This record gives sequence, C-alpha cells and structure tokens, in this order.
Amino acid sequence: SQKIEQNSEALNIQEGKTATLTCNYTNYSPAYLQWYRQDPGRGPVFLLLIRENEKEKRKERLKVTFDTTLKQSLFHITASQPADSATYLCALMDSSYKLIFGSGTRLLVRP
Amino acid sequence: DTGVSQDPRHKITKRGQNVTFRCDPISEHNRLYWYRQTLGQGPEFLTYFQNEAQLEKSRLLSDRFSAERPKGSFSTLEIQRTEQGDSAMYLCASSLDGEETQYFGPGTRLLVL
Repeated sequence: SQKIEQNSEALNIQEGKTATLTCNYTNYSPAYLQWYRQDPGRGPVFLLLIRENEKEKRKERLKVTFDTTLKQSLFHITASQPADSATYLCALMDSSYKLIFGSGTRLLVRP
Repeated sequence: DTGVSQDPRHKITKRGQNVTFRCDPISEHNRLYWYRQTLGQGPEFLTYFQNEAQLEKSRLLSDRFSAERPKGSFSTLEIQRTEQGDSAMYLCASSLDGEETQYFGPGTRLLVL
C-alpha cells in the first residue's frame, strides 16, 4: 500500500544551524510533493511544492529537494531560528487532488 | 482576513451525542476538503466536494458521518452518536479546481467524553 514516512523523532538543533528533514514514500509515483508547516492547535500552512522534473526548489531560507529514484524529499531550513520550531508535514497529492500526509517531524530550534 | 474559517474551534461532548461543524472556504474556491488529525499523526482525508457535489468519501467516514455543501459555499460535517474514538482535530481545506495547494482552516478540536 502507499506509504509516506517522516522521522517521528523530534529534531532538536541550535539556532543558526541548518535543519534537514526527510520524507520517504513507497508504492507511489507522485507528480509533485508538498511541504506544510503546522503549529500546535492550528491547521497546516503551505510552504513549498516541488515537481518531479525539479531537483531543487528554494524560497528564502527554505530548500526542498526531490529524488524520484530514491523516492525521497529533503527539506532544509538554513540559519534556523526559534520561530521555525513547529511540525513539518510532507504531503503527496493523488489523482483526485486529495492530500496524503506523512506523520510529520517536530522541529525544535534552541536559542 | 479571507482565509478558511471553521466553527466552533473547540467542542466537548458526551458519548452518544450528535455534533455538527461548519467550514467556510475561501470565497472563490470550488473544492472543499475535510480531514481528521489525531495526536502525533498527519491529517487523514475524509471527504471532498467540488462545488456542491460530494465526489469522494474515505473508508474512514463511517455511516455516522455525513457532510454537505448545499450551495457550493460553506460545508457542514455532522457526526451522529459520537464515540470516544471520534476525538480528534477536524480540518477543512479549500482550493481552486486543478490547483495543487490547499488552504487549511484552524480546525475544530473535538473531545468526546
């Protein structure tokens, strides 16, 4: 069955360092992959979308890579700040435009 | 702010009671989605509408759940005879037809005692 895996353990890093989060998927060939941010008690907020023919996408301090051979996406936050602390969700869209989410990775940035 | 809104934000109910949640999407969006999220998990798809037509329902949506979008604008999600296992965050999202990005509301947190 289709599966999306994100590291369930929280990632704890020092302010100023680069955070790298991983999303792996199986039994799926997505045309694109999305990353969302979710703060406690709030709905997910869209961050970035990367298409299968794009190797890398950047937005300010965020960078996403997409390797369709490895079936993996990496999400990087450079020069991390305590305000970046949140849960980051990886999502694929199926043919009916519904999103299939991973379980998310919690990021904690220490000042 | 013309984002997606949901009401109520929190609901506490006793097992066996019925509850209804409302979602108001972004005004020009014709697609509306309902998701459910439990602690430590990502959102799981429940159902979606294109305009007023309900096009897909997840197997998660038992016969106690019903959703409507009568005029293609706001939507309601009703849970009848609530069970403790229904406790979760219920999220609504909307998008334009064919657009990949979905815009989420703040969610309704349901606690069934």
